[in-house]
Amino acid sequence: EVVVTQSPATLSLSPGDRATLSCRASQNVGSYLVWYQQKPGQAPRLLIYDSSSRASGIPARFSGSGSGTDFTLTIRSLEPEDFAVYYCQQRRDWPLTFGQGTKVEIK
Amino acid sequence: EVQLLESGGGLVQPGGSLRLSCAASGFSFRDYAMTWVRQAPGKGLEGVSGIDGNGVGTYYADSVKGRFTISRDTPRNTLYLQMNTLRAEDTAVYYCARGGGPTTYFLGYWGQGILVTVSS
Repeated sequence: EVVVTQSPATLSLSPGDRATLSCRASQNVGSYLVWYQQKPGQAPRLLIYDSSSRASGIPARFSGSGSGTDFTLTIRSLEPEDFAVYYCQQRRDWPLTFGQGTKVEIK
Repeated sequence: EVQLLESGGGLVQPGGSLRLSCAASGFSFRDYAMTWVRQAPGKGLEGVSGIDGNGVGTYYADSVKGRFTISRDTPRNTLYLQMNTLRAEDTAVYYCARGGGPTTYFLGYWGQGILVTVSS
């Protein structure tokens, strides 16, 4: 099973700041890394698939990068609606595995 | 508009069974892989089971292998998850989610989720 680890667990930032979230896979997953956003009481929302492809309707301030085992989600300038929990997921192999999440909170 | 609507959740005793359903609409059901993802209260996401668009490939997390069975009924546009020998640790919100293609498991559309509680 591919273990996916996210860091940091919590990121305390202000609106307008740049957010950098990290995700590391225990094995090479190529570019098969996905990012989701989840707000309280809601289902996750797809942001980025295959490391760097933005999903439909996702603002350009969200970008993804990386390959192999190390990946990054960057939010260029945080908007109030961006404060949420972010999960990464590898889709190279079953079982699909998710990181434990990074909470982006208002400082 | 893509819609996924889960049903069949509720309270069940340990060792019991439950079948979840997910009614899909707004897309060609046969053309997409489907997945069940769960989230225990206050916890992260866990990929429970997936099924390819043609229904041939099926996949399970180790934690549910041998107890859960995923299936799909293409004419009815419905995804199922048969859950047997339920344990307290299966308590979670279960989400139905659509993949990005027939064998592609990035999850672009999600249902609202349904709560399964395993307790005596």
